[in-house]
Amino acid sequence: EDKVVQSPLSLVVHEGDTVTLNCSYEVTNFRSLLWYKQEKKAPTFLFMLTSSGIEKKSGRLSSILDKKELFSILNITATQTGDSAVYLCAWGGYGGSQGNLIFGKGTKLSVKP
Amino acid sequence: DTAVSQTPKYLVTQMGNDKSIKCEQNLGHDTMYWYKQDSKKFLKIMFSYNNKELIINETVPNRFSPKSPDKAHLNLHINSLELGDSAVYFCASSQLFGDYGYTFGSGTRLTVV
Repeated sequence: EDKVVQSPLSLVVHEGDTVTLNCSYEVTNFRSLLWYKQEKKAPTFLFMLTSSGIEKKSGRLSSILDKKELFSILNITATQTGDSAVYLCAWGGYGGSQGNLIFGKGTKLSVKP
Repeated sequence: DTAVSQTPKYLVTQMGNDKSIKCEQNLGHDTMYWYKQDSKKFLKIMFSYNNKELIINETVPNRFSPKSPDKAHLNLHINSLELGDSAVYFCASSQLFGDYGYTFGSGTRLTVV
């Protein structure tokens, strides 16, 4: 079974729209949840979330974690064509998997001019 | 200065060959990883290596072996390459099991023909 489930798998919007990307995760040994943006090459780090209800913000991007309902969302406001990418959610755990990230399948976002 | 560098960027080789991919990080991180990204862009952990402790994902065939000459390097050696090994391989590093985020290399695209 998947530890991390992202939705939707793909999304097409127009510039200026606001999007919300979803990530649900398994609770066992949960340590942190991370968001990455992947364009053509390496995933680049966006946010790491460990505490419930505390919003992290960077420009037009923001993210929040709900540890009770076991999900996180990534919001992008006033989208631009440069936001087109695959957004990856990753679960970080304690114990044997400590330090390893388990990734979801990603949400492919396409922003049309 | 590249924080996590991998070589080569592209590798095309025949089935049955043995090949290595090198990874170096200059961030002073204490943990390094290898991830495999398949054609559907799904990123999956293969190995993590921290202070000489190797954690192996049990689904990784034993044809794959990581080798760490020192804390800044984690190379990936693959024996008897198969068609299904074709993928993009990412090296990554982190400090303190990822408490401060992970940094990925730019990837090595391996094509087995």
